[in-house]
Amino acid sequence: NAGVTQTPKFQVLKTGQSMTLQCAQDMNHEYMSWYRQDPGMGLRLIHYSVGAGITDQGEVPNGYNVSRSTTEDFPLRLLSAAPSQTSVYFCASSYKELNTEAFFGQGTRLTVV
Amino acid sequence: GDSVTQMEGPVTLSEEAFLTINCTYTATGYPSLFWYVQYPGEGLQLLLKATKADDKGSNKGFEATYRKETTSFHLEKGSVQVSDSAVYFCALRVNTGFQKLVFGTGTRLLVSP
Repeated sequence: NAGVTQTPKFQVLKTGQSMTLQCAQDMNHEYMSWYRQDPGMGLRLIHYSVGAGITDQGEVPNGYNVSRSTTEDFPLRLLSAAPSQTSVYFCASSYKELNTEAFFGQGTRLTVV
Repeated sequence: GDSVTQMEGPVTLSEEAFLTINCTYTATGYPSLFWYVQYPGEGLQLLLKATKADDKGSNKGFEATYRKETTSFHLEKGSVQVSDSAVYFCALRVNTGFQKLVFGTGTRLLVSP
């Protein structure tokens, strides 16, 4: 049972480069989301999806794009990387029913130089 | 808006000491409350949860009670172990729409032998 799988675990980008962080879940969860974790700020929601074909913005969406073509996959695209996007990124998924827990991937540590 | 406030760390304890990590919240409606734990280099794992007032969540010797009158969800453990060293996040999940998770800033616990 893989749960939520994120790749890569580590990445270094140069300013202006683009890349895609991958996230896949095998639990048939309807909801998926991306968070970034920064020191002293906890986790902040970037984008989320309530089902295939449906996405919406969270608290800090600027500079990121998402799509959800299948239930399993929810990639996060950085369009033109900036040093301010240096962070640890977590993907999460959950069922849509109330009071259910969210499951998290192991994270991607991204450094933009 | 919805928010979670938890005590700043690090919290440094000796093995077998009593642990309390304070967490208070502000929310419209009746959120579910969670404690997540993050061990070094790993993603977040659910530690315990409570879904309504006066519920007590418990797991691995940790406990927290959903106190609506004081809007609190303090984490306690009677006797900590070195293996409990981690970062602990208090979070609420709003029970409307996407049911997004709102996290506190995290509290690092360091337990020495």
